[in-house]
Amino acid sequence: AQSVTQLGSHVSVSEGALVLLRCNYSSSVPPYLFWYVQYPNQGLQLLLKYTTGATLVKGINGFEAEFKKSETSFHLTKPSAHMSDAAEYFCAVSKNTGGFKTIFGAGTRLFVKA
Amino acid sequence: GAVVSQHPSWVICKSGTSVKIECRSLDFQATTMFWYRQFPKQSLMLMATSNEGSKATYEQGVEKDKFLINHASLTLSTLTVTSAHPEDSSFYICSASRTSGRSYEQYFGPGTRLTVT
Repeated sequence: AQSVTQLGSHVSVSEGALVLLRCNYSSSVPPYLFWYVQYPNQGLQLLLKYTTGATLVKGINGFEAEFKKSETSFHLTKPSAHMSDAAEYFCAVSKNTGGFKTIFGAGTRLFVKA
Repeated sequence: GAVVSQHPSWVICKSGTSVKIECRSLDFQATTMFWYRQFPKQSLMLMATSNEGSKATYEQGVEKDKFLINHASLTLSTLTVTSAHPEDSSFYICSASRTSGRSYEQYFGPGTRLTVT
């Protein structure tokens, strides 16, 4: 069975500071990994994904994540936070069987202080 | 990119009535569609997996007789909440997946907010 753990339900950073949102997963087969962002009362927007190949994945809005198989992690980073980054972030895992159903982590709320 | 729409975007219904939510893939044929629900300030919980022309596969704990899913075509899936109660009030999000060779993409709809009074 797959599962996703996001460490920290809330993360607060100052504008211009490094953003680090942590995600660990468990999967019995090579996973597909995703980060989504959700603004209040809106749907999900895909930030980036890892399927195969290069383990450092670059996404939209300056975000990137690195797949580390040995650590079963897929942490999301951004060098410099912007006020507009304040939102809910979800890490998710899927696999190439069972119809690719996606399991989401509990989410991390990112606060950005001026 | 591909677009998935949901209709309605929000709906209010009275307790005991049924409400149908549509999920459409607008510019591609979806291999599979998924239905999620999201309670306020919580994560998305997968309810069911829907393949065109076959019965939906429900996750453990989801009542299939209460949440009826019909996947009539490769571009349309519907979720009907039957005999709705206030505890069914939630944000319902669908997604549609497309596979091509080794490529896999999943696209999420904007969500439907259901309020049962």
